[in-house]
Amino acid sequence: AQKITQTQPGMFVQEKEAVTLDCTYDTSDPSYGLFWYKQPSSGEMIFLIYQGSYDQQNATEGRYSLNFQKARKSANLVISASQLGDSAMYFCAMRERSGNTPLVFGKGTRLSVIA
Amino acid sequence: DAGVIQSPRHEVTEMGQEVTLRCKPISGHNSLFWYRQTMMRGLELLIYFNNNVPIDDSGMPEDRFSAKMPNASFSTLKIQPSEPRDSAVYFCASSLGQGLYNEQFFGPGTRLTVL
Repeated sequence: AQKITQTQPGMFVQEKEAVTLDCTYDTSDPSYGLFWYKQPSSGEMIFLIYQGSYDQQNATEGRYSLNFQKARKSANLVISASQLGDSAMYFCAMRERSGNTPLVFGKGTRLSVIA
Repeated sequence: DAGVIQSPRHEVTEMGQEVTLRCKPISGHNSLFWYRQTMMRGLELLIYFNNNVPIDDSGMPEDRFSAKMPNASFSTLKIQPSEPRDSAVYFCASSLGQGLYNEQFFGPGTRLTVL
């Protein structure tokens, strides 16, 4: 079974609009962390935002926020005021339990911002 | 601050040749991860090391793949013999610490093409 599911292969958004990228996860571990990475066309992986399973509040980092719904096991990324430079692949990832265990990634969503 | 360094950035080789990918993690980081990215399979974990010790190599596709980490500042991923289906982008990542929030810092990747 997939640990991380991103159901939107591609999304379009108008510049300056907000967009939500979906991510659902599967774990029986009560302690886990959720991450979002951005991969522009140049190929590098850029960390955006983190949410811990015990965090009471939704994480925010500038124009990025995470809509964390624990009961639904969803961790959607919200990008506000989209910019042309936001066009990229976006990956949701999860780490279960503490320790230097690896991130497990979803298949990604390609976001295209239209002027 | 130097990030994760990978070399070469691009490698084109012929089927049957040996390929060696190199990675220098961020100084002080104690975990190192090798991922492979393809269109079909997304980002897959191949192997990871904690404190230079291989912890999980279950993602290594087959015996043609091997990875070493002789010291804290260097790791190699070797493919021998290479096959066209090995064509992919190979990422190295490193992280530090024992908490859930351990951002994995990615290198720029090595784009491997096997003809």
